[in-house]
Amino acid sequence: QIQLVESGGGLVKPGGSLRLSCSGSGFNFSDSFMTWVRQTPGKGLEWISYISKSGDFRKYADPVKGRFTISRDNTKNSLFLQMSSVRADDTAVYFCARGKRYDYGESWGQGILVPVSS
Amino acid sequence: SFVVTQPPSVSVAPGQTAKIPCEKTYSGRKSVYWYQQKPGQAPILVVYDDTRRPSGIPDRFSGSTSGKTATLSINRVEVGDEADYYCQAWDSSGDRLWVFGGGTRLTVL
Repeated sequence: QIQLVESGGGLVKPGGSLRLSCSGSGFNFSDSFMTWVRQTPGKGLEWISYISKSGDFRKYADPVKGRFTISRDNTKNSLFLQMSSVRADDTAVYFCARGKRYDYGESWGQGILVPVSS
Repeated sequence: SFVVTQPPSVSVAPGQTAKIPCEKTYSGRKSVYWYQQKPGQAPILVVYDDTRRPSGIPDRFSGSTSGKTATLSINRVEVGDEADYYCQAWDSSGDRLWVFGGGTRLTVL
């Protein structure tokens, strides 16, 4: 059974930093493309970052470019999102998603809330 | 870059067929993917590559495409199908790899 579990969320002040983790099980993690998507409370889905299977290619959406860093540790079946210089409009539920292809998400985690507030 | 547009809401009676359109502004061949999301839950992939269904998704769910419009159809709608449905396309050249529609709330009357 495929499982993705996000952790590391919680209240963070504007300008602060936070590291989200996503732990995968039930599938070949190193053979999966991994993606972070966020959802503002009551709003739709927004793609924010992608990392290739080996980690050698990464891409970011403009709103987070230069502030967020995606990484992965295939030896630990884990995906990360380092969030820095966070802003109020980064407040969202953050989902990790995986796929054998990079163009869509076959499986998603349950999401984790990151509120940004002073 | 391009956008995909969905109506904010669709209503249908139980047992009827719901059709949720997704209009693509781009030309050319790009597949559309559909997700179901219930309140407080993760999105679930229900259709990929325009028309294909992942294993475990009931055959009441189907996808089609005609011109610039992709459509998710749900036959014999059940109360449990009430959810938000998002279409998504992939953009290799824009600033976002995955482009989502704004979502359609399906209400089962």
